[in-house]
Amino acid sequence: GAVVSQHPSWVICKSGTSVKIECRSLDFQATTMFWYRQFPKQSLMLMATSNEGSKATYEQGVEKDKFLINHASLTLSTLTVTSAHPEDSSFYICSASVHSTSYEQYFGPGTRLTVT
Amino acid sequence: GENVEQHPSTLSVQEGDSAVIKCTYSDSASNYFPWYKQELGKRPQLIIDIRSNVGEKKDQRIAVTLNKTAKHFSLHITETQPEDSAVYFCAASTGGNQFYFGTGTSLTVIP
Repeated sequence: GAVVSQHPSWVICKSGTSVKIECRSLDFQATTMFWYRQFPKQSLMLMATSNEGSKATYEQGVEKDKFLINHASLTLSTLTVTSAHPEDSSFYICSASVHSTSYEQYFGPGTRLTVT
Repeated sequence: GENVEQHPSTLSVQEGDSAVIKCTYSDSASNYFPWYKQELGKRPQLIIDIRSNVGEKKDQRIAVTLNKTAKHFSLHITETQPEDSAVYFCAASTGGNQFYFGTGTSLTVIP
């Protein structure tokens, strides 16, 4: 149980275009989902926290207009990287928790974004 | 926000020896401390966690200790095996679910 999927697993896009990444909880309802970014050989940096049906809460330094997050249902959250640039190339990982008081997070397999 | 520091950044041990990774955190309100193992290009996998009302927890070859007063916690792996080689991350959370990760430790177990 507690499986989280991400789609696509990798994507290459041209500079200036937008890319959407989906995060799904397959066998549970996730009231809260999190988006992380991980550069090579670095740690996971929390970008934002999204709760179903409400606006995402972004961490300091993360541009909310560039990284659009939508959590439309209890099983789906999307991250859209708008007007992507090469410096946005990274590994994006989502995670989900079962309910707001649950400590454990279940991680997706990640999406490798390369902007050329 | 929370600041989690992790040491060492790299660690090499001989197979069968023990490995210890240490983390410190800044927010005294943090009450949940998970440890994750991540292999290259894959998702982090939870290996053990501890809550603030417990000082130590053990699961076979893996143990975690927590010192709330000093705001540090450690991962101990005994009888290391080559398959333990990976990057290990500690994290701290206030229970509101936001995880703040340490900088990671690349562990290499030499056969």
